[in-house]
Amino acid sequence: EDQVTQSPEALRLQEGESSSLNCSYTVSGLRGLFWYRQDPGKGPEFLFTLYSAGEEKEKERLKATLTKKESFLHITAPKPEDSATYLCAVVVNSGYALNFGKGTSLLVTP
Amino acid sequence: GAGVSQSPRYKVAKRGQDVALRCDPISGHVSLFWYQQALGQGPEFLTYFQNEAQLDKSGLPSDRFFAERPEGSVSTLKIQRTQQEDSAVYLCASSLGGAGGYTFGSGTRLTVV
Repeated sequence: EDQVTQSPEALRLQEGESSSLNCSYTVSGLRGLFWYRQDPGKGPEFLFTLYSAGEEKEKERLKATLTKKESFLHITAPKPEDSATYLCAVVVNSGYALNFGKGTSLLVTP
Repeated sequence: GAGVSQSPRYKVAKRGQDVALRCDPISGHVSLFWYQQALGQGPEFLTYFQNEAQLDKSGLPSDRFFAERPEGSVSTLKIQRTQQEDSAVYLCASSLGGAGGYTFGSGTRLTVV
């Protein structure tokens, strides 16, 4: 069975304190791995798609990396406005729908 | 439109009532998905449309849930005889097709009392 596990469930950082969120996956074949950001009361907002091991993508203070078993979302020098829930999802080779993890709730304090 | 639009944003239903949730996808997007998100959880897949064809409804929790997309654009998720466990946020997403470019709406928060 395809599984997506995110850790930690919650993370509290001081402004400027860099850290990483983890997404480990067990799938029959990976078509794509997605990172989304979700703010309270809103739908998930697309951040990155990664397709193959070794791939990396960056956007402002965020950098996503992918191996054959897991993905990391690195947050460099976070700001309070980075506070949100970060969701990881996979699409398998034979599929089309996103299979989500439970998310990591990030709080960045000034 | 510029984004995926869902209505209503909030819905309170008495147990046993029927509800209809609407999704207006991005113009030209072939694929449309419905997800259910419980508090503190990730979204769970409900059903998938390609144009007007419902290709996968394996995630619908019971036969009280029904979805349609008759003209290949706007979609409606209907829940009959609502139960308390149906309380959740219902998210709609659309894409051009393939594995990528999924855009989500803001969701409908359904509360069954």
